[in-house]
Amino acid sequence: GQNIDQPTEMTATEGAIVQINCTYQTSGFNGLFWYQQHAGEAPTFLSYNVLDGLEEKGRFSSFLSRSKGYSYLLLKELQMKDSASYLCAVRDSNTDKLIFGTGTRLQVFP
Amino acid sequence: DAGITQSPRHKVTETGTPVTLRCHQTENHRYMYWYRQDPGHGLRLIHYSYGVKDTDKGEVSDGYSVSRSKTEDFLLTLESATSSQTSVYFCAISEFKNSGNTIYFGEGSWLTVV
Repeated sequence: GQNIDQPTEMTATEGAIVQINCTYQTSGFNGLFWYQQHAGEAPTFLSYNVLDGLEEKGRFSSFLSRSKGYSYLLLKELQMKDSASYLCAVRDSNTDKLIFGTGTRLQVFP
Repeated sequence: DAGITQSPRHKVTETGTPVTLRCHQTENHRYMYWYRQDPGHGLRLIHYSYGVKDTDKGEVSDGYSVSRSKTEDFLLTLESATSSQTSVYFCAISEFKNSGNTIYFGEGSWLTVV
């Protein structure tokens, strides 16, 4: 079967670091994506991992372990504008389709 | 900005009426998608297209049809709207970059069926 799990909600303080985890089970794997979605807006692409390891892009980093079916998104130096939902998605290599998790709603407090 | 516009952005309709949502793209992308997003569910694929007049079903296609007569336009039709189709609908395109085949979304269409 196909399943993607991520926490429903998280809170953090401005200036801090937060890690959002994502675990997945799919019949085939061909990449993991993270999207950011502010309330009432469309998801926007953040990062892509297909090989194991850490991909860094400014304040955001994404990590992948294919053997563990695990990824995390790391947000550093949190800002109020980082309050949003973060969606984990896996591309199934058998269907070439993206399977989305239900998203993690992050609230950043002053 | 992936050059995607959706219309209408907001619509309220009555149960049993047909509804068509339009997705327009300006960058000649071959692949286009329609997703719906509901609380407690991830984004779910309704239908997709891999070229003019080439479409296929996604995981939640019942009650929906699509058409693509031109590269730039992908239409989603609810034949007879039901309250369960109240949702946010996102059109998307895929573009192959260094980040692989990445999906980019339009602004969304909020549909309420009363």
